[in-house]
Amino acid sequence: GQQVMQIPQYQHVQEGEDFTTYCNSSTTLSNIQWYKQRPGGHPVFLIQLVKSGEVKKQKRLTFQFGEAKKNSSLHITATQTTDVGTYFCAGEWSWGKLQFGAGTQVVVTP
Amino acid sequence: NAGVTQTPKFRILKIGQSMTLQCAQDMNHNYMYWYRQDPGMGLKLIYYSVGAGITDKGEVPNGYNVSRSTTEDFPLRLELAAPSQTSVYFCASGGVSGEQYFGPGTRLTVT
Repeated sequence: GQQVMQIPQYQHVQEGEDFTTYCNSSTTLSNIQWYKQRPGGHPVFLIQLVKSGEVKKQKRLTFQFGEAKKNSSLHITATQTTDVGTYFCAGEWSWGKLQFGAGTQVVVTP
Repeated sequence: NAGVTQTPKFRILKIGQSMTLQCAQDMNHNYMYWYRQDPGMGLKLIYYSVGAGITDKGEVPNGYNVSRSTTEDFPLRLELAAPSQTSVYFCASGGVSGEQYFGPGTRLTVT
């Protein structure tokens, strides 16, 4: 079946540093979504990428979708303590059904 | 708009007991979902629904049942609870572009 792999599982970042988390699918996706879950909270939708090679920015967050629509990345610049949480990618193959990756847990030290 | 609401927030069950997790949404979404999240893991789809009266199995449906009699409500039923069902359960509804909106979750412990 379809699988979504996410690396790294854990990211420890100094405040002000940049980091990137990666998402890879075993098969071509129709689109990919990113969610953020704060500790003890629920996943919150961040963005959806649909087109091959698409790049979208949300303030300090940059999301990319690979040319083959099998991988994606989330890059955060100048990390802040508010960026703490777990970031999930979720691949969509058939409309309305998502396969979530295991997530990248981000810890930020001041 | 309350969005997606779930009750209860916490529950402890004994092995073999049954319970229903409630989920409601006020966004008039056709798609609704139930996920479970085990510690340090991603979300696994239990069941989903594309509209009232229509449900289908997800990745991990064993031990659970659902019904969808209205657009707003999508309850999840656990029959004969087992320790393996200890988890956090999230209900979600699907927006027009496929994005999902999650409820606050129910933390369930089976002992």
